Amino acid sequence: LAKTTQPISMDSYEGQEVNITCSHNNIATNDYITWYQQFPSQGPRFIIQGYKTKVTNEVASLFIPADRKSSTLSLPRVSLSDTAVYYCLVGDAPYNNNDMRFGAGTRLTVKP
Amino acid sequence: NAGVTQTPKFQVLKTGQSMTLQCAQDMNHEYMSWYRQDPGMGLRLIHYSVGAGITDQGEVPNGYNVSRSTTEDFPLRLLSAAPSQTSVYFCASSSRDRPGELFFGEGSRLTVL
Repeated sequence: LAKTTQPISMDSYEGQEVNITCSHNNIATNDYITWYQQFPSQGPRFIIQGYKTKVTNEVASLFIPADRKSSTLSLPRVSLSDTAVYYCLVGDAPYNNNDMRFGAGTRLTVKP
Repeated sequence: NAGVTQTPKFQVLKTGQSMTLQCAQDMNHEYMSWYRQDPGMGLRLIHYSVGAGITDQGEVPNGYNVSRSTTEDFPLRLLSAAPSQTSVYFCASSSRDRPGELFFGEGSRLTVL
């Protein structure tokens, strides 16, 4: 069962790029890396998923080194509305041996 | 599209009462699941279903029952509510092609007195 470690909290300012790193030393060959965003009183929202190298979409980029033991979610030019909790999940599906567990996440606070 | 719809949004129960949290999705997703989230914690998987007629236990299944008679609906039943079940409950769905891309409902906040 792959486990993840990510910072409990981070602070940033509007307009800055934010990088949140997640460690997953025992990631398995079939595992993907998936990031979710959660605002207060809402369900988590899928941000991005990747297997290796770099993935980019309209919201974020995901950087995965060759050994895949860590990953970095990059949010370009954050705004106040990016204040949320960000979860890093590792696994090939949510329901294989209860894989892809949600940890406590990283609470990002964006300041003006 | 409505996505994933949960009802009710808020509910207060007394210890020992029973109730059902409803979840419906209109995306024709094969996979559906229920999570609970306690203050300051991540989500924990209660039960899940990989298709109509198939359900299985997650990380914290005790005190909860589920059934999946249709692709669209996945109700969560509390047979005898306990204060420890006070939590926010989220229903999620995903497709077989992209099982890790979960779509969540807005949540149901349950208080058991």
